[in-house]
Amino acid sequence: QSALTQPASVSGSPGQSITISCTGTSSDVGNYNLVSWYQQHPGKAPTLMIYEVNKRPSGVSNRFSGSKSGNTASLTISGLQAEDEADYYCCAYAASDTYVFGGGTKLTVL
Amino acid sequence: QVQLQESGPTLVKPSQTLSLTCTVSGGSISSSGYCWSWIRQLPGKGLEWIGYICYSGSTYYNPSLKSRVTISVDTSRNQFSLKLSSVTAADTAVYYCARRDGYNSYYFDFWGQGTLVTVSS
Repeated sequence: QSALTQPASVSGSPGQSITISCTGTSSDVGNYNLVSWYQQHPGKAPTLMIYEVNKRPSGVSNRFSGSKSGNTASLTISGLQAEDEADYYCCAYAASDTYVFGGGTKLTVL
Repeated sequence: QVQLQESGPTLVKPSQTLSLTCTVSGGSISSSGYCWSWIRQLPGKGLEWIGYICYSGSTYYNPSLKSRVTISVDTSRNQFSLKLSSVTAADTAVYYCARRDGYNSYYFDFWGQGTLVTVSS
């Protein structure tokens, strides 16, 4: 099991949209629609933002959306706000009740 | 609203066993469908799933840690625990407990605040 690949950092200005990619393999991301995304502010626990590729838990802004194509999942944040500045992690189910996370992406709002 | 809270020693000596407990409030740890997880974050690095124990008592572990990990549950106290044996400095991390949502759900919806465990002599 290897960690999913995410860009180390992305940035955008307030109001813009950004996309964070998450690349896995045909054994995890590509094999199941079971990718989730987590937001983590410094010193805080991760919080669930997207599950099952593109579903939002109640209370999560509709500015957050997810998608998947082949072995790559993506998180898009539209209408960037200062409060979106955080680390983002993807996670994929990888069969036999195991999971693999990405290395994380630091989002900077300029 | 479910809440989780980690507790346990924050300093462990190399070769010893790391032991942590997660106390669950706002819901029963025995509720059908849920699994109770441990996830860690190495310093300055990403997250790593350690494993979980489900309501049925079944356990599932990260293959890379499986030989050293035991997760158990104490339903009378609404707690579950992690034991990681033969630790080294590479096991220094923030350890989180989290809930995997119900049946046919494969994501973690509630997390504890995390506890930093340092492995050092």
